[in-house]
Order: sequence, then C-alpha cells, then structure tokens
Amino acid sequence: GAVVSQHPSWVICKSGTSVKIECRSLDFQATTMFWYRQFPKQSLMLMATSNEGSKATYEQGVEKDKFLINHASLTLSTLTVTSAHPEDSSFYICSAFSAGTGGGEKLFFGSGTQLSVL
Amino acid sequence: LAKTTQPISMDSYEGQEVNITCSHNNIATNDYITWYQQFPSQGPRFIIQGYKTKVTNEVASLFIPADRKSSTLSLPRVSLSDTAVYYCLVGDTGGFKTIFGAGTRLFVKA
Repeated sequence: GAVVSQHPSWVICKSGTSVKIECRSLDFQATTMFWYRQFPKQSLMLMATSNEGSKATYEQGVEKDKFLINHASLTLSTLTVTSAHPEDSSFYICSAFSAGTGGGEKLFFGSGTQLSVL
Repeated sequence: LAKTTQPISMDSYEGQEVNITCSHNNIATNDYITWYQQFPSQGPRFIIQGYKTKVTNEVASLFIPADRKSSTLSLPRVSLSDTAVYYCLVGDTGGFKTIFGAGTRLFVKA
C-alpha cells in the first residue's frame, strides 16, 4: 500500500519559535496533500489543502500566516508553525490520496506529529 | 459534500463480531465509502472501501445497501487490539474534502 512518512513524530519547543513538520509520499506522487490537527479525544480537523506548485487552501478560521504550507515537489509538503505558542500544542497529521489497489482513491496518512509548546 | 453520522461509542467483548453503521443520506453518485481506524497518537489507517453491495478483505467487511444511504463496517471476532476510533468518510476524488465526523470509539473488553 501507499506510504506517507511524517517527521518528526514529536517535538517540544519554546514559545515564540517556529517548527517545521515534513510529510512525504514515499512510493507515489501526491499533487494534493492535506494537513489536520487533532486535540485529545476529538476528531481530525482539516486545516488546509496543500497543492503542489501553488498556494495552499486554508479552512475557515485557520491563520495562513501562522501555519505556513509549502508543497514544492510531488512527494513533499511541509507545515511550519510560526511563532508557536502553547495553544498551538496539538497532534498534527498529514495525508495524501493514492489509488491504492482497486476502487476509488484512498487517503493515506502520516503517523502524526505531537507538538508541545512550552 | 456528504455528511456522515456514526454512533459515538460502542463496547464489545473479545471474539465477538462488531458492526458499526454510518449514515450518509446525501451521498452522491460518484462517492465511495471508506473506513479508517485510528489508534491514540497515530494517524488513521485505511481499513476498507466500497461503492455498493458487499466488500470483504482480510480484516473487515463492508455492507452497503442498494440506496447507499448507509454503510456497515463489520469486524469479525474482535480482539483487544481492535480498540480504536473508527471513521467513515464519503467522497469522490477531486471533491473529496476529507471532512471527518466524530467517529466511533470501539472499546473491546476481555
């Protein structure tokens, strides 16, 4: 099956610093990737759609200047949390579509990144 | 964009069959139904996908009635390791906005 690699798995940073999270499609090309955040005991919340070679599309209420997304190649999208604050602490997950085996396209997810801002 | 509704939680015992139903009344003609499993602090994992009737793979079965307004994920003989949150998503490529519903928390007891 398709593999999406996300790095790092966890990161602790000081308030005011920036953190970059990488999402790679290892065995397929992904023109579109998605970024989510998830709080404990809650569902995934879509933050933005990352499009290769163009600007990302952000969901309502998500600050594009706070969460910078770059999708420079068909296999890599990055999410940078700028000037992080404790309220940005969350579990961040990326995903991408792949045809997989048969049927419609399927979403494949990274393993997630736990961000803790002190 | 088809909205999905699932039970918030379910309990079961090891060895039992578990059926989780998802309602998607406004599913579109081109939409597929896909189920994912998520363990704590991990990304969701693809379980099964279907368009109509019944689909079976090595881990689950998916039952879809003729009107496709609902679907049922069936997990045969669950074990403790099946304790997780299960999400159903409905969508088509391109218009697949990937909006997650609340999911169903399955708790398997010994």
